[in-house]
Amino acid sequence: AQRVTQPEKLLSVFKGAPVELKCNYSYSGSPELFWYVQYSRQRLQLLLRHISRESIKGFTADLNKGETSFHLKKPFAQEEDSAMYYCALYNFNKFYFGSGTKLNVKP
Amino acid sequence: DGGITQSPKYLFRKEGQNVTLSCEQNLNHDAMYWYRQDPGQGLRLIYYSQIVNDFQKGDIAEGYSVSREKKESFPLTVTSAQKNPTAFYLCASTPRDDKKELFFGEGSRLTVL
Repeated sequence: AQRVTQPEKLLSVFKGAPVELKCNYSYSGSPELFWYVQYSRQRLQLLLRHISRESIKGFTADLNKGETSFHLKKPFAQEEDSAMYYCALYNFNKFYFGSGTKLNVKP
Repeated sequence: DGGITQSPKYLFRKEGQNVTLSCEQNLNHDAMYWYRQDPGQGLRLIYYSQIVNDFQKGDIAEGYSVSREKKESFPLTVTSAQKNPTAFYLCASTPRDDKKELFFGEGSRLTVL
């Protein structure tokens, strides 16, 4: 069965510090993975997808098939990055989400 | 203003009553989804639909029902058989393309008294 695990419920860092939000998945095939973000009082929205290999708002995520991980990274966190982050996996028309990590960037 | 509209935002229900949550989209998306969001559990899939007049159960479909009579609409009924219906419900849609980007509504919070 597909499963997405985000081990940290809350991650607090200071502004300017590096940040890494962890995501591990279990899936036997070639996964399609995504990071979604929900800022305060806003809708859940797509941040980035692994297949695009893009950097959005300074965030990147690399798919590591050997470790079955898709960690989200940013070298210098900003206060506006404070939000709820969800890792998601797509398989056969269904999207599976992790439990989410709340990122709090302190001034 | 294109997007997904969920209504009502807040809903209170007595035990034993069915309630229907509305989800409408004007994005011309084929696929629509219903998720339940509980603290610490993330989003769990209730039902999804790829095309009109067709839908499939997700991981937690028991006590819920849906219909997809129109492309724009995917209402969710929370029946009295749902043992723990108090939750936040999210509707989403996506076009059937390679991007696979989900577009979400603002959600509906259901409280059973």
